[in-house]
Amino acid sequence: KNEVEQSPQNLTAQEGEFITINCSYSVGISALHWLQQHPGGGIVSLFMLSSGKKKHGRLIATINIQEKHSSLHITASHPRDSAVYICAVRISQFYFGTGTSLTVIP
Amino acid sequence: GAGVSQSPSNKVTEKGKDVELRCDPISGHTALYWYRQSLGQGLEFLIYFQGNSAPDKSGLPSDRFSAERTGGSVSTLTIQRTQQEDSAVYLCASSSSRSNEQFFGPGTRLTVL
Repeated sequence: KNEVEQSPQNLTAQEGEFITINCSYSVGISALHWLQQHPGGGIVSLFMLSSGKKKHGRLIATINIQEKHSSLHITASHPRDSAVYICAVRISQFYFGTGTSLTVIP
Repeated sequence: GAGVSQSPSNKVTEKGKDVELRCDPISGHTALYWYRQSLGQGLEFLIYFQGNSAPDKSGLPSDRFSAERTGGSVSTLTIQRTQQEDSAVYLCASSSSRSNEQFFGPGTRLTVL
């Protein structure tokens, strides 16, 4: 049983497309994190959400606590957005989704 | 320092040997996390330190794994009697008490032969 489910697992988009990555979790949480892992392996924290919506540049993250669902949106996607995007929640410990591998083609 | 640092960056060891992995968090960060990422797998939580509180060890996979955080700063993850399935990238992250945003180190790639 996975506490955190992400979809899609893989995503290929043309440059400029609007992208949505989804994350669902099974139990109540205090916060949800979106992480970005580049091909070289480095991980960057993009957002930490407990309610509502956050925006940073072309990235938007939303969370619906009642539905136990979060989405990460990328507007005007660019090849440099190509990375693995990981959703994580803290329940008793941290649980991670398996990641969404995004490739943006020029 | 400017960010979280980890050492060594790569470690190759023989099965059965003990290894120590080091993490230097961002100065002033009270929380420190250890994670593991096996090849082709997702991130796995190992242990969490918060200030002077007892660490959350709920993610440690076996009693061969232990971690310490000395003086509320540097942390060492020790794996005793390494097994081939311990091969993975071990990642450390730290966060401040104000924001809880985690800053990740570059990881240590451990290979157990």
